[in-house]
Amino acid sequence: DIQMTQSPSSLSASLGDRVTITCRASQTIKKYVNWYQQKPGKVPKLLIYTASNLESGVPSRFSGSGSGTDFTLTISGLQPEDFATYYCQQTYSTPRVTFGGGTKVEI
Amino acid sequence: QVPLVQSGAEVKKPGSSVEVSCKPSGGTFRSFAFSWVRQAPGQGFEWMGGTIPSSATTDVAQRLQDRFTITTDESTRTVYMHLSSLRSEDTAVYYCLGGVGTPDYWGQGTLITVSS
Repeated sequence: DIQMTQSPSSLSASLGDRVTITCRASQTIKKYVNWYQQKPGKVPKLLIYTASNLESGVPSRFSGSGSGTDFTLTISGLQPEDFATYYCQQTYSTPRVTFGGGTKVEI
Repeated sequence: QVPLVQSGAEVKKPGSSVEVSCKPSGGTFRSFAFSWVRQAPGQGFEWMGGTIPSSATTDVAQRLQDRFTITTDESTRTVYMHLSSLRSEDTAVYYCLGGVGTPDYWGQGTLITVSS
């Protein structure tokens, strides 16, 4: 299985901060990475697909980059509604998809 | 976005089985790829298995191979997961993921509680 190593597992930030979350794949996965936001008790929400494409309706402060094995999610200007847990997902080996361990963004 | 609609929550006894359905509300069913994942309370996501109807491909996590199956019914555009020999550790929210080519979108989740 393709392993996705996500870091950090948690971080503390303030409103307006720039936040960066990274995922490293155990093998090359081209650009087949999605990023999701999950709030407690809710379904994960797609933010970024295929590494760098912003899902419709998602604020432009979210951006993604990377290819091969290293990927980054950046939130530019943290807002109150952004405090949540974020996950990366590789879809290179569809239907065998795997996830990073999550990053909890806290105040 | 392609809404995926799952069946409702269930409470099951240890040793019994459960079936969860998932139906995309739009799109061409055969162009989809589906995956099933679960999330235990306070935990991350565990991939369980997936299927690609157009290539008749089905793949299941090795640790679940003896008790997890996926089936599809193209006439009703529905994909099913079936988990047998339930144990307390199977208590989780089960999600169907689907999308054209890659499973990018999520169903609303189905809570399965295993309790005596």
